Amino acid sequence: DQQVKQNSPSLSVQEGRISILNCDYTNSMFDYFLWYKKYPAEGPTFLISISSIKDKNEDGRFTVFLNKSAKHLSLHIVPSQPGDSAVYFCAASARDSGTYKYIFGTGTRLKVLA
Amino acid sequence: NAGVTQTPKFQVLKTGQSMTLQCAQDMNHEYMSWYRQDPGMGLRLIHYSVGAGITDQGEVPNGYNVSRSTTEDFPLRLLSAAPSQTSVYFCASSLIGTIDYNEQFFGPGTRLTVL
Repeated sequence: DQQVKQNSPSLSVQEGRISILNCDYTNSMFDYFLWYKKYPAEGPTFLISISSIKDKNEDGRFTVFLNKSAKHLSLHIVPSQPGDSAVYFCAASARDSGTYKYIFGTGTRLKVLA
Repeated sequence: NAGVTQTPKFQVLKTGQSMTLQCAQDMNHEYMSWYRQDPGMGLRLIHYSVGAGITDQGEVPNGYNVSRSTTEDFPLRLLSAAPSQTSVYFCASSLIGTIDYNEQFFGPGTRLTVL
């Protein structure tokens, strides 16, 4: 039973346009959400996070939106660049419950076309 | 800081062999964890630890053991390797607490093949 779902395995976007990556979760105890980027043969690297007390967090070209009622979060990349081509994972944690388990989605492969 | 280091980078085992994947971090992080990455499955949590002497199971713990005798080290043991354990293994660490940007730092991974 997958608690964190990324239903789009892949996404192609033209350079300069917006990339929108989506993530859904089922566990209402999750209170902290993260996005990671992963290049081939490397470990994932942290991109941006959001706690459940917020509905938006921005960091440069990256913005994460959280819709708690829909149990949905999305990552917006504007403008997209060829170097953004990677696999993106969303992850969720129930920090306030004290378990500190990070559960990851299956990933979305983003390809930014020059 | 070296961050999170993992050894070995690559390993080939025969079915039934045992081995230990090493993980170390020099950031004084309380939380450490092990994941496996398989095609179409994303990153699945195997075991995690919130401090020395404390470990707990993740989503897919069967066939793996862990221990945490120091803050820095969190080895993953395969007691009797099976072909289903062929995967890429990542170790990660982070601080604990409800603070912003409480992200995990990942190691470079160990690619394990079990024949």
